[in-house]
Amino acid sequence: NAGVTQTPKFRILKIGQSMTLQCTQDMNHNYMYWYRQDPGMGLKLIYYSVGAGITDKGEVPNGYNVSRSTTEDFPLRLELAAPSQTSVYFCASSYSKSPRESPDTQYFGPGTRLTVL
Amino acid sequence: RKEVEQDPGPFNVPEGATVAFNCTYSNSASQSFFWYRQDCRKEPKLLMSVYSSGNEDGRFTAQLNRASQYISLLIRDSKLSDSATYLCVVMSPFYQKVTFGIGTKLQVIP
Repeated sequence: NAGVTQTPKFRILKIGQSMTLQCTQDMNHNYMYWYRQDPGMGLKLIYYSVGAGITDKGEVPNGYNVSRSTTEDFPLRLELAAPSQTSVYFCASSYSKSPRESPDTQYFGPGTRLTVL
Repeated sequence: RKEVEQDPGPFNVPEGATVAFNCTYSNSASQSFFWYRQDCRKEPKLLMSVYSSGNEDGRFTAQLNRASQYISLLIRDSKLSDSATYLCVVMSPFYQKVTFGIGTKLQVIP
């Protein structure tokens, strides 16, 4: 298993450009997440998904959009990039047996380092 | 009060020392607790889950104190390879929310 993969690893954007960060997992996990981590700060949840077709906002969703058309993929879209979105973005996945149970361990991808100039 | 609070450190300790980190949480209904390790410029990786009865994995011991709302991580016989940032993670019931602490940086010195 490759686990959680993310592309690209690095990207530089100009203000106002758009891009999609890709995330794929091959562990058949139902939960997927997007976090951002700013220097010296904790991870902030942007969006999460409890299964294909279902997404919900996390703590810092403004300026981002997500979709979950398949179990494996959970892309994060940045529209109109701003310098405040310069960060490291981590995608993660986990498994929950049922909606009544909290999901298990989160497995993280290697991250995408994004700079907006 | 922050939902999850950690002392950012850094904790500089000599090899072989014992070091302990605490993490406090504000939501008394929190259900699941974890310690993750994050190396510089890498993704977080699970170190250990924290159970009500406490758990131990080699040199690492994690404990939960629900009454005082904190979890702890004890590292015995510190190794140079233990140098990293240790993240506390708290999850609420039914996955309403998962919160990461800012992490505690550990530097083990030769």
